[in-house]
Amino acid sequence: AQSVTQLDSHVSVSEGTPVLLRCNYSSSYSPSLFWYVQHPNKGLQLLLKYTSAATLVKGINGFEAEFKKSETSFHLTKPSAHMSDAAEYFCVTVSGGYNKLIFGAGTRLAVHP
Amino acid sequence: DAGVIQSPRHEVTEMGQEVTLRCKPISGHNSLFWYRQTMMRGLELLIYFNNNVPIDDSGMPEDRFSAKMPNASFSTLKIQPSEPRDSAVYFCASSGTGTQPQHFGDGTRLSIL
Repeated sequence: AQSVTQLDSHVSVSEGTPVLLRCNYSSSYSPSLFWYVQHPNKGLQLLLKYTSAATLVKGINGFEAEFKKSETSFHLTKPSAHMSDAAEYFCVTVSGGYNKLIFGAGTRLAVHP
Repeated sequence: DAGVIQSPRHEVTEMGQEVTLRCKPISGHNSLFWYRQTMMRGLELLIYFNNNVPIDDSGMPEDRFSAKMPNASFSTLKIQPSEPRDSAVYFCASSGTGTQPQHFGDGTRLSIL
């Protein structure tokens, strides 16, 4: 069965420094993978998606993620954190015959001045 | 371009009362999902509709929960009677065909006293 594991429940960075949010996946075939962000009192917003077209995926707000099959990873990165990036981030995969999302536990990103 | 619209945004009611949550998916999307989010259990899929037909309701916790989708532009999630443990944020999401990403509404924050 498809699953994702987010390796850090909390990440804290200073504004202007790089962001790395880690995600490993488990899949018997080429998975569909997504990163979503959730700001307080808001719904989940799609940051980017991987669907096997390219291993480096660029998303919104300067985020990108690299699919590494050898490491079964799909880590989310951003070169320079902004205060507005403080939020909860979910690594997500798809399971079953219909677009059923499987969520990681989430990583809460804090950005300090 | 309107996203997924949920109402109400907040609901506070006493236990035993009937609660109805509403969702308007993105026009043209044929899949609709209801989720519940709590601190303890994270995001849980409650029910999934495809072309207005319920396909998977295995996540509906009890018979007190019911969901309908009378047409392509409207869905309801009803709890009757409500209990304090139903307090959570309920999200509706919609998507197009295949592995198109799901788009989430801003949720309904439900508090049962």
